[in-house]
Amino acid sequence: AQSVAQPEDQVNVAEGNPLTVKCTYSVSGNPYLFWYVQYPNRGLQFLLKYITGDNLVKGSYGFEAEFNKSQTSFHLKKPSALVSDSALYFCAVRDHPADKLIFGTGTRLQVFP
Amino acid sequence: DGGITQSPKYLFRKEGQNVTLSCEQNLNHDAMYWYRQDPGQGLRLIYYSQIVNDFQKGDIAEGYSVSREKKESFPLTVTSAQKNPTAFYLCASSKGLAGDKTGELFFGEGSRLTVL
Repeated sequence: AQSVAQPEDQVNVAEGNPLTVKCTYSVSGNPYLFWYVQYPNRGLQFLLKYITGDNLVKGSYGFEAEFNKSQTSFHLKKPSALVSDSALYFCAVRDHPADKLIFGTGTRLQVFP
Repeated sequence: DGGITQSPKYLFRKEGQNVTLSCEQNLNHDAMYWYRQDPGQGLRLIYYSQIVNDFQKGDIAEGYSVSREKKESFPLTVTSAQKNPTAFYLCASSKGLAGDKTGELFFGEGSRLTVL
């Protein structure tokens, strides 16, 4: 069965420093991977996705993610964190052949001024 | 602007009452989904529908019911059989299997249900 794991409940980083939010996956076949962000009491907003092609995927708000097939990882990164990046981040994988996404448990990112 | 509208945003219910959450989309998407969000548990799939007049159970369907009579609408009923209904409910849609096939979801703003 397809699954994703987000090993960190919370990540703390100082503003201006690089940030990484980790995600590992387990799928049969080629993975379709996603990152979403959620602000308090709001829906989820799409950040980026990996379907095929370059292992480094660029997304919204300066975020990027690196797909690593050998490590089955899809970590979210940003070179310089902003306080406004503080939110809950979800990694997700598409469940083949069903047309649905399976989400991780989420990682709360806290950026300190 | 195209998007997904959920209503109400906040809802209070007494124990033993059924309540229906509305979800409407004008994205012309074929597929629609309901997720439940609890702290520390991420998003769990309740029901999903890939086409009008058809839907499938997700991982936690017990105590919930849905209908898909129109492409634009996918209401969720939380019944009195749901033992712990207090949660944040998220509706989403996608282009579906006939669309871009990537599975990318578009979300509404959510409905917070509190049982008193």
